[in-house]
Amino acid sequence: DGGITQSPKYLFRKEGQNVTLSCEQNLNHDAMYWYRQDPGQGLRLIYYSQIVNDFQKGDIAEGYSVSREKKESFPLTVTSAQKNPTAFYLCASSTRDITSTDTQYFGPGTRLTVL
Amino acid sequence: QQQVKQSPQSLIVQKGGISIINCAYENTAFDYFPWYQQFPGKGPALLIAIRPDVSEKKEGRFTISFNKSAKQFSLHIMDSQPGDSATYFCAASKKSSGDKLTFGTGTRLAVRP
Repeated sequence: DGGITQSPKYLFRKEGQNVTLSCEQNLNHDAMYWYRQDPGQGLRLIYYSQIVNDFQKGDIAEGYSVSREKKESFPLTVTSAQKNPTAFYLCASSTRDITSTDTQYFGPGTRLTVL
Repeated sequence: QQQVKQSPQSLIVQKGGISIINCAYENTAFDYFPWYQQFPGKGPALLIAIRPDVSEKKEGRFTISFNKSAKQFSLHIMDSQPGDSATYFCAASKKSSGDKLTFGTGTRLAVRP
């Protein structure tokens, strides 16, 4: 059963703590993405990676870090430097085939709450 | 240059009616325009997508209309059903530069029975 999994579904963090969100895909996609979604707002790109061992900052990368050691995995760390981390985090992946009519597929999301 | 503007922010439609959501973009290099549907607490799911070489694409009750000269595209949901109640996002990307999507701010659709 192909798809994207994110864990955990809900995460609670105390202020000052780093926390890592997991994202795994078995779609054999080269590219992976992390988005943040706040109530009433669209999706804002945090980081993306088009190939293993390479990643680029998105529009709101400050206070976040990522790694891409394996094609299937793209974990996101929310650091204590992120001023307002409470949000719904979405991971996505896509093929890099520019002729494809396919696009990004999303995971189910992780809701992070800072206590 | 990268912005995608979406309207309305929210929409209420009676069952059986037509729901229309509009998006406008600025970057003429965009060449792929998907629409996503998102239910509360879930990730967005691809609904329908269009390339700029066609002016309309229909899949079941969902139709994308695309106006390249006006840099606008819209989603029409025919015979709207309560199960269509969700948030809809338009997006745009330049496929030749990878699949980095720029999203609209979303439209919350409520279909009343």
